[in-house]
Amino acid sequence: GDSVTQTEGQVALSEEDFLTIHCNYSASGYPTLFWYVQYPGEGPQLLFRASRDKEKGSSRGFEATYDKGTTSFHLRKASVQESDSAVYYCALPLSSSFSKLVFGQGTSLSVVP
Amino acid sequence: DMKVTQMPRYLIKRMGENVLLECGQDMSHETMYWYRQDPGLGLQLIYISYDVDSNSEGDIPKGYRVSRKKREHFSLILDSAKTNQTSVYFCASSQGFSNERLFFGHGTKLSVL
Repeated sequence: GDSVTQTEGQVALSEEDFLTIHCNYSASGYPTLFWYVQYPGEGPQLLFRASRDKEKGSSRGFEATYDKGTTSFHLRKASVQESDSAVYYCALPLSSSFSKLVFGQGTSLSVVP
Repeated sequence: DMKVTQMPRYLIKRMGENVLLECGQDMSHETMYWYRQDPGLGLQLIYISYDVDSNSEGDIPKGYRVSRKKREHFSLILDSAKTNQTSVYFCASSQGFSNERLFFGHGTKLSVL
């Protein structure tokens, strides 16, 4: 079945460190993929989406590249700030029901000054 | 003002009591969702609603039911709450039947003692 796996449960970094969060997916066809971010005390919100092979999304200094060949959709940022501390989710639409999104387990990012 | 509002924000109930979680949106979105969020499990879909009285089970519907009598409102009901239903519950909405962008509320933290 369709699934997404985020390999890092928690990531702790210092300001200006480089960030990579890995997301691997299993799905048929050519799915659109999403990154959501959840700041403390809030609900998740869309960071960006990508739907074409090698497409790059970007928002707030973050970048993600969708690679159909390796079925991955990794999130990167060159220099993190304390304000980036949040939980990051990748999400995949179910091929059986376009309205339904399957979320990964989430990666909790903590950035210290 | 593109908002999803959840009430209440915090709720404490005893095992066996009934629980009503309410959600409203001001965007006239057709599709609405209820998710629960637990550490290490990410966001799990409980129910999805495609419009008034058009509801469908998600991945973990057992122990829950929903009601949608107006497009703007979507309620989650726990009949005889159990301690393992302690969680943070998120409501979300999206335009049409698309998952292009989900708008989430701030969540309701439910504790069942």
